[in-house]
Amino acid sequence: NAGVTQTPKFRVLKTGQSMTLLCAQDMNHEYMYWYRQDPGMGLRLIHYSVGEGTTAKGEVPDGYNVSRLKKQNFLLGLESAAPSQTSVYFCASSRGARGANVLTFGAGSRLTVL
Amino acid sequence: AQSVTQLDSHVSVSEGTPVLLRCNYSSSYSPSLFWYVQHPNKGLQLLLKYTSAATLVKGINGFEAEFKKSETSFHLTKPSAHMSDAAEYFCVVIMDYGGSQGNLIFGKGTKLSVKP
Repeated sequence: NAGVTQTPKFRVLKTGQSMTLLCAQDMNHEYMYWYRQDPGMGLRLIHYSVGEGTTAKGEVPDGYNVSRLKKQNFLLGLESAAPSQTSVYFCASSRGARGANVLTFGAGSRLTVL
Repeated sequence: AQSVTQLDSHVSVSEGTPVLLRCNYSSSYSPSLFWYVQHPNKGLQLLLKYTSAATLVKGINGFEAEFKKSETSFHLTKPSAHMSDAAEYFCVVIMDYGGSQGNLIFGKGTKLSVKP
C-alpha cells in the first residue's frame, strides 16, 4: 500500500517556465490537498478538492492551478514559475472532514525556481 | 478569526529528559486538534488527535497531549526524550464550522533538538 505518492521529488525551473506536480493516492480518499512549506511559515494550503471533479482555493492559490479529473489523482500546475514559488510542496489526502480528517502526506516535492 | 499558535519555534532537551511542546488555539467553535511530526526530508505523520472524547490523548512513540478548553491549549508532552524524537512538530486545528470540509489550520512548527 503506497499511500500518497508525489512526482517528481525534485525539480529546478527557470522563471517563466511551467510544470505540473502529480499526486496519486491509493486509499480511495475523497479529499486531497496541496500545501507549500516554507521556513518559519508552517504549511499553507494552496488548493484542495473534496471529490472527483471538484477543486477549491486555499490560503495561497495565486499562481497555481489544480485539477482532479480522477479520484486518485490531484495535479498542481504552475503556469509561469516565479522565484517566490521556490518551496517544498506536499500533497495530502483524507477520508473525510472534521474529526475524520486525518491527513496522509506524501514525501514532498522540492521545487527551485531560478 | 481562528488561529493556532505554537509558542516555541525551537526546543532543545537532553536525552532522557521530559519534552513539552506548547500549542494554543483560538476558536469560537468546538475544535478537532492534531499533532503531526515531520522528520528531516520526510512528509508529515500523525502523532495523535483529539476529537471531543477523552481530554488526555495518547499517541505514538510515547507522546501524549491534553486538551484544556479553559486555557485553549493542546500541549504535547513526552516523559523521556529519545534521540529519534528530533524532528519538527506541528499543531493542527480543524475548526468545526458545520460545513462539509472543515478548515485545517497549521501552526508554524516547533523544531525539537535532542542532545546526547
